[in-house]
Amino acid sequence: QKEVEQNSGPLSVPEGAIASLNCTYSDRVSQSFFWYRQYSGKSPELIMSIYSNGDKEDGRFTAQLNKASQYVSLLIRDSQPSDSATYLCAVNKYLQGAQKLVFGQGTRLTINP
Amino acid sequence: SQTIHQWPATLVQPVGSPLSLECTVEGTSNPNLYWYRQAAGRGLQLLFYSVGIGQISSEVPQNLSASRPQDRQFILSSKKLLLSDSGFYLCAWSVPSGGLYEQYFGPGTRLTVT
Repeated sequence: QKEVEQNSGPLSVPEGAIASLNCTYSDRVSQSFFWYRQYSGKSPELIMSIYSNGDKEDGRFTAQLNKASQYVSLLIRDSQPSDSATYLCAVNKYLQGAQKLVFGQGTRLTINP
Repeated sequence: SQTIHQWPATLVQPVGSPLSLECTVEGTSNPNLYWYRQAAGRGLQLLFYSVGIGQISSEVPQNLSASRPQDRQFILSSKKLLLSDSGFYLCAWSVPSGGLYEQYFGPGTRLTVT
């Protein structure tokens, strides 16, 4: 079982709709969770971080965390063509004296005008 | 505010040649520093991380090495490149903030080994 799993997609969503991206993780002691957006040919950009159960909203983005189910999701409301990118889920891990991130493979999202 | 620089942006090198990629961070002190590689269409692979000057930990065995000669400088090197070293190399930094260790990535170096 992979430490962090995401559906690779592609996920196709019409413009203006809600895009829902999902991620599961295997390590129950994980405390912090992150969503990165990566445009083709560019580096990942941090868009959301969450460490408490429940929802965290930032503009059109909402991150949802359920530690009991080991599940974290990202909702994008009013999807725009500019949201088309690969979204990476990452989970924090403390190992050998350092904080590290374990990344999922990413979900490719396409917003159709 | 903090910024992270990487250079060069792109690099084409022949097999067997040496490599040196540099990463510098501005606007923060004593950051954790990380080197990742992303092969075409693949996920992010952590190569090295550093919690301080001269302190380097390697995640996977390979023909690459890393050094941290100064607090905000991180260097990735190789004596002899392999074809399999091609990829997108990303440097990242993090500092603790409220218990969170958010990582921020540099613009990356795209390396093609021919």
